[in-house]
Amino acid sequence: ETGVTQSPTHLIKTRGQQVTLRCSSQSGHNTVSWYQQALGQGPQFIFQYYREEENGRGNFPPRFSGLQFPNYSSELNVNALELDDSALYLCASSLWRGGGTDTQYFGPGTRLTVL
Amino acid sequence: RKEVEQDPGPFNVPEGATVAFNCTYSNSASQSFFWYRQDCRKEPKLLMSVYSSGNEDGRFTAQLNRASQYISLLIRDSKLSDSATYLCVVKTREYGNKLVFGAGTILRVKS
Repeated sequence: ETGVTQSPTHLIKTRGQQVTLRCSSQSGHNTVSWYQQALGQGPQFIFQYYREEENGRGNFPPRFSGLQFPNYSSELNVNALELDDSALYLCASSLWRGGGTDTQYFGPGTRLTVL
Repeated sequence: RKEVEQDPGPFNVPEGATVAFNCTYSNSASQSFFWYRQDCRKEPKLLMSVYSSGNEDGRFTAQLNRASQYISLLIRDSKLSDSATYLCVVKTREYGNKLVFGAGTILRVKS
């Protein structure tokens, strides 16, 4: 196992609601990245947090926001949920020392269904 | 055009077969290359990194051609347990060391 945990495992929401997903990174890791995986697609990068700051963002609207805490755990918040937000949300933690050599380890994901 | 494109699947092969997956990427600034494996309804797991010199891990061999922007994965002596989706992944420093995934290729190994 990677040591990356996510909660909740599954979640059902209705359109317009807000949701918060949580991720605990592997011990010793300082970076958390979030990905959205729609059915039949590869994961798509949402954003990355390094030392509590957003370190990069993919092509997702502002209603997708996040936080990283001093213990490097992280939250993904999605406001005004839409049907297309239904997906598996994955977080990945890594130890970034600069350069591009960090390996990202994924948590088991949160499966979000928006009705 | 997608940043990472993979062979369309699914690949249905008998046990013991050799199967090859191909992948191309469009961003010449890409730094690192990987193959991840994803079982049904599970998270992606790193299978192996891919280096320009080629690398092998047991029955798995990965190759990278930077000039052609092409990545491959060869699986020899396929096992039933190899059945999964194989994701070609590229890392770029743009937008914060993000991983860019292909859509994945489904492999089904049958007895």
